[in-house]
Amino acid sequence: DVKVTQSSRYLVKRTGEKVFLECVQDMDHENMFWYRQDPGLGLRLIYFSYDVKMKEKGDIPEGYSVSREKKERFSLILESASTNQTSMYLCASSLRVAGGYEQYFGPGTRLTVT
Amino acid sequence: GEDVEQSLFLSVREGDSSVINCTYTDSSSTYLYWYKQEPGAGLQLLTYIFSNMDMKQDQRLTVLLNKKDKHLSLRIADTQTGDSAIYFCAETSGNTGKLIFGQGTTLQVKP
Repeated sequence: DVKVTQSSRYLVKRTGEKVFLECVQDMDHENMFWYRQDPGLGLRLIYFSYDVKMKEKGDIPEGYSVSREKKERFSLILESASTNQTSMYLCASSLRVAGGYEQYFGPGTRLTVT
Repeated sequence: GEDVEQSLFLSVREGDSSVINCTYTDSSSTYLYWYKQEPGAGLQLLTYIFSNMDMKQDQRLTVLLNKKDKHLSLRIADTQTGDSAIYFCAETSGNTGKLIFGQGTTLQVKP
């Protein structure tokens, strides 16, 4: 059974703080993703990684960075948190199947920046 | 650019069929997906359809794909209160495993 875990379900941080969100998958997937989810906007891709130490910007990378030092772990970093980064953050990893991909999601971290 | 559109809300009575619709723009998408998100949880893959198919059935779920109109639908037969959730349509983008998601349709099932 594929497992994607995220370090926290709920997090409250102050404006200007550095925030780390951790994601771990146990299925040796190469691709990992960070999304943020906001009502009415669906999921928007922040960054993704297709291999260790590799990263690519998604649609909304501003204000975020990522780190992938080990295959199973993909971290999202908010260098200086702002109130407009209050959101639900979802991590996913993907497995290639017969020409397509299946993405598996973690439970999400609801971040509030005050 | 690539875009996926869904209506935001659908309300049905328990036992009725639900049909959730989605339109997409990228005609080169190889797979199209439906995900379900229950309150407070991550997304769960429900089903997917390969772009050379026009229908896929899986128990109470039927996916219809009209490639000419770039229209995808998810039909849930005999809808139950446990089906209340947000349903996301998604298309593949390139060969990196990236998905483009719609805004999500909130399905409300009334007893």
